[in-house]
Amino acid sequence: SAVISQKPSRDICQRGTSLTIQCQVDSQVTMMFWYRQQPGQSLTLIATANQGSEATYESGFVIDKFPISRPNLTFSTLTVSNMSPEDSSIYLCSAEGGGGGGELFFGEGSRLTVL
Amino acid sequence: KQEVTQIPAALSVPEGENLVLNCSFTDSAIYNLQWFRQDPGKGLTSLLLIQSSQREQTSGRLNASLDKSSGRSTLYIAASQPGDSATYLCAVMGGATNKLIFGTGTLLAVQP
Repeated sequence: SAVISQKPSRDICQRGTSLTIQCQVDSQVTMMFWYRQQPGQSLTLIATANQGSEATYESGFVIDKFPISRPNLTFSTLTVSNMSPEDSSIYLCSAEGGGGGGELFFGEGSRLTVL
Repeated sequence: KQEVTQIPAALSVPEGENLVLNCSFTDSAIYNLQWFRQDPGKGLTSLLLIQSSQREQTSGRLNASLDKSSGRSTLYIAASQPGDSATYLCAVMGGATNKLIFGTGTLLAVQP
């Protein structure tokens, strides 16, 4: 398994500001994933973050709005830029466990409320 | 494009009942299927992982089955307890990528 820590766990932000979410994994992983869960919805993949290369974004998500860093094999950040109330969501970080087989583990999530 | 659907959207049962949650997916070319539990306002807890070559997996009171050809999976919970109350999500990983596509979730309430 993999233990994934995220911070902040929650925050209240003002419109137009940016917030960076940090994700730490307790082991080295090749790929990390960032998901968004809007209120009452299921999870949607934002991007895949590989160490040493630019993140790969899913349709509907762009780097200017959600810049991602992946400086090493255990850490990643997601920034939500120029926030609006529509960005109010839970943002979750995920990584594959070391046991192989493609099992993904998730952090506790970062709940953002934009006023 | 893979689509994952879960039925029912919500379920309320009395404590002690056995229950079945359903998950269906449109593209049978999957690498694996995972069931998760999510408590309100929290992250996801992995419950069971079924590889595409497997038919079922068991963990305690939980049993998950996979019928890849028909695009279906079920999560069976035996002797339900109030502590089982949560949203249950299924997710499939495509054969060519490590991306998980999530279902819509089933909100389970177990009444004491």
